[in-house]
Amino acid sequence: QVQLQESGPGLVKPSQTLSLTCTVSGGSISSGGYYWSWIRQHPGKGLEWIGYIYYSGSTYYNPSLKSRVTISVDTSKNQFSLKLSSVTAADTAVYYCARAGEDYSNFDYWGQGTLVTVSS
Amino acid sequence: EIVLTQSPGTLSLSPGERATLSCRASQSVSSSYLAWYQQKPGQAPRLLIYGASSRATGIPDRFSGSGSGTDFTLTISRLEPEDFAVYYCQQYGSSPQYTFGQGTKLEIK
Repeated sequence: QVQLQESGPGLVKPSQTLSLTCTVSGGSISSGGYYWSWIRQHPGKGLEWIGYIYYSGSTYYNPSLKSRVTISVDTSKNQFSLKLSSVTAADTAVYYCARAGEDYSNFDYWGQGTLVTVSS
Repeated sequence: EIVLTQSPGTLSLSPGERATLSCRASQSVSSSYLAWYQQKPGQAPRLLIYGASSRATGIPDRFSGSGSGTDFTLTISRLEPEDFAVYYCQQYGSSPQYTFGQGTKLEIK
């Protein structure tokens, strides 16, 4: 059973960089065949896809966030990470990591989510 | 960008009743790339339906999906108490590669 777990600071100051890591267990990122994504949900709102990374390191970002987002992968640790720069209060959200399944079209496994608050 | 509009925003029904949730796309979506999720408070979304009509692993057969082009439907044939939650549709393929509808809240009447 694949499991994903987000980790990182729950509080980030405005203008700083939000950094989160997703640790994958029960499956290997380096086996390929899946996209590893970050998705966020503003409080009480819907879901917004941020971007994904493939095991090879290739990435694709949501154009609305592309200028501030970096997703990287560490296959030796079976982890992938999110960096979001120049954060504002509008970036306060629950951040999920998720796996896009075998045809890449849907998210079959999700982390539990972690709330990140942007505040001074 | 393909916008997914879900209706109704809130649906009030009783256990045992049938629920019909709609997802309309601003442009045609490949049926292969339309999914539905269920989200309960404090939990991550759970994949219910993929490819517009295929149930994900472990999903009861009271959940069914249908539709094509720009109109898709999630039907819950007979509501159980644990089905009351928020439901999202999601499409894949058009930049941004993944977009979600705004959600339908299914509440107990």
